[in-house]
Amino acid sequence: QKEVEQNSGPLSVPEGAIASLNCTYSDRGSQSFFWYRQYSGKSPELIMSIYSNGDKEDGRFTAQLNKASQYVSLLIRDSQPSDSATYLCAVVGQGGSEKLVFGKGTKLTVNP
Amino acid sequence: KAGVTQTPRYLIKTRGQQVTLSCSPISGHRSVSWYQQTPGQGLQFLFEYFSETQRNKGNFPGRFSGRQFSNSRSEMNVSTLELGDSALYLCASSLVGSGGAADTQYFGPGTRLTVL
Repeated sequence: QKEVEQNSGPLSVPEGAIASLNCTYSDRGSQSFFWYRQYSGKSPELIMSIYSNGDKEDGRFTAQLNKASQYVSLLIRDSQPSDSATYLCAVVGQGGSEKLVFGKGTKLTVNP
Repeated sequence: KAGVTQTPRYLIKTRGQQVTLSCSPISGHRSVSWYQQTPGQGLQFLFEYFSETQRNKGNFPGRFSGRQFSNSRSEMNVSTLELGDSALYLCASSLVGSGGAADTQYFGPGTRLTVL
């Protein structure tokens, strides 16, 4: 059973701080990794994708991937109250089939 | 470009009934995936369709079925509804469903199903 694990939180950070979200996955052959943000009552929206080891930056967001450790993380710099949401880590497994396996999400609260 | 649309947005059914949900993907997208989201289980993969064929299936009972039409629109059907089927049902579309770079899944707003 392919699994994606996340700390359920809740994670609470003050405004302006760095929020660090972590995710581990069990399928060593996984190829593609995604972070989705889901506001309460809304559907998930993609915020970052990463496919190779290392860091990928997009504005205030940085995704980090370490395939050897089967670990992917998301850093949010200068956190804003509008970043308060549940963050879902998702992994596409080996074989390239479009079957996203999601973690259960980490709820982030950014306090003004 | 219009996003993924799902209809209806809300449904209330009673146990034993059946329900059909509809999803229209982003124009040009040929892969449609369906997910069930509940507070306890999170987002769980139901199935994926590409070119009118079911290509992947999750661990759900046969009461859950789907299909895809030649225009890539997809429907999912749940028969003999149970209380535990109450959930947010999400569909997501992507170009070809490879999971690779530039072939991201985009989600629709979801259908909230309540089974009484």
